[in-house]
Amino acid sequence: GAVVSQHPSWVICKSGTSVKIECRSLDFQATTMFWYRQFPKQSLMLMATSNEGSKATYEQGVEKDKFLINHASLTLSTLTVTSAHPEDSSFYICSARTSGEDEQFFGPGTRLTVL
Amino acid sequence: DAKTTQPPSMDCAEGRAANLPCNHSTISGNEYVYWYRQIHSQGPQYIIHGLKNNETNEMASLIITEDRKSSTLILPHATLRDTAVYYCIVRPSGSARQLTFGSGTQLTVLP
Repeated sequence: GAVVSQHPSWVICKSGTSVKIECRSLDFQATTMFWYRQFPKQSLMLMATSNEGSKATYEQGVEKDKFLINHASLTLSTLTVTSAHPEDSSFYICSARTSGEDEQFFGPGTRLTVL
Repeated sequence: DAKTTQPPSMDCAEGRAANLPCNHSTISGNEYVYWYRQIHSQGPQYIIHGLKNNETNEMASLIITEDRKSSTLILPHATLRDTAVYYCIVRPSGSARQLTFGSGTQLTVLP
């Protein structure tokens, strides 16, 4: 299957700083990328959907000014957590799909810890 | 998308078949049944999907009842590495939308 990578795999930052997480499709063109968040012992919750070259669509309750998403190319999407706080500590997972295909391919996730 | 119901947890002995049930009684005619799994601290992994016929691949078999209101994922010879949370998701084919994850079933394969 297609491969999706995320970088970094884990990050620790101080409260108030910003953190950027990259999601790359390595061997296919990702026309759509999804960003999920997963708190301990909970399921994945969708944060936003981004189509290449368009603004992201955020789910209700997700602050678009806090979680900045850029999908400027067909192989890269970034999620920037601005002014991170301890409650933003979570496992962030991206997935990608290509136009005309049903299957979504997931990245390995990024563990964010905000001190 | 139709709602799914799965048992919260199951145990299975190593080497035996693991049968994971899923109820989706409100499934629509154009909705497929997808199965993903998530090993601890990893991203979800696609396993299999089907519409109404039984499906089999190198990982698992998917049995869908004739009325399509429930399905069973079968791991024929479970190994310790199959310990994971298994998610049953119902979604229309060709949908560009996200996958909606429920709480899934925590499968623990015991030595």
